[in-house]
Amino acid sequence: EDQVTQSPEALRLQEGESSSLNCSYTVSGLRGLFWYRQDPGKGPEFLFTLYSAGEEKEKERLKATLTKKESFLHITAPKPEDSATYLCAVQARTNAGKSTFGDGTTLTVKP
Amino acid sequence: GAVVSQHPSRVICKSGTSVKIECRSLDFQATTMFWYRQFPKKSLMLMATSNEGSKATYEQGVEKDKFLINHASLTLSTLTVTSAHPEDSSFYICSAIPGTGVQPQHFGDGTRLSIL
Repeated sequence: EDQVTQSPEALRLQEGESSSLNCSYTVSGLRGLFWYRQDPGKGPEFLFTLYSAGEEKEKERLKATLTKKESFLHITAPKPEDSATYLCAVQARTNAGKSTFGDGTTLTVKP
Repeated sequence: GAVVSQHPSRVICKSGTSVKIECRSLDFQATTMFWYRQFPKKSLMLMATSNEGSKATYEQGVEKDKFLINHASLTLSTLTVTSAHPEDSSFYICSAIPGTGVQPQHFGDGTRLSIL
């Protein structure tokens, strides 16, 4: 069974204080790993897709990396508007289109 | 691009009522759509996967007679909660993917369902 574990559950940072979110996974043949951002009362918004170990993707203050067992979402000099829940999901070769989601990390950035 | 619209955003109704939620892909054809339920401070719980023109595939433990899913076209899927009761109150979210291959899901903004 595919599993995704995200840590920490919640993270509070001061504005400008860089940190990382972790996503550990076990999957029967990884097709892709996705990062999403979810604001309260909204649906998740797609951020990145990573396909293979060693791959990195960047977007503004966010950088996602991937190894064979985990992915990190690095947040550099965060701003209050980066406050949200970040979800990690994996898609296995055996599950056409379906993804297994982690429980998310809720990030709060204080000004 | 890849916009998914979900309607209504909020529903409040009496116990025993059936409620229909629509999910539309506005600028792409969605070969597959997914329906999720999300509990407070919890992640997405997949309820079912629907493909255009075929019956939905429900996850274990999800009552197919309770949660009716129709995917009549490549841009529209509907979820009907039949004879809703207070325990059905939740946040329901749909998503869609265009084509095949490794695709991220594109989500609607969810429907907050409250059954009195």
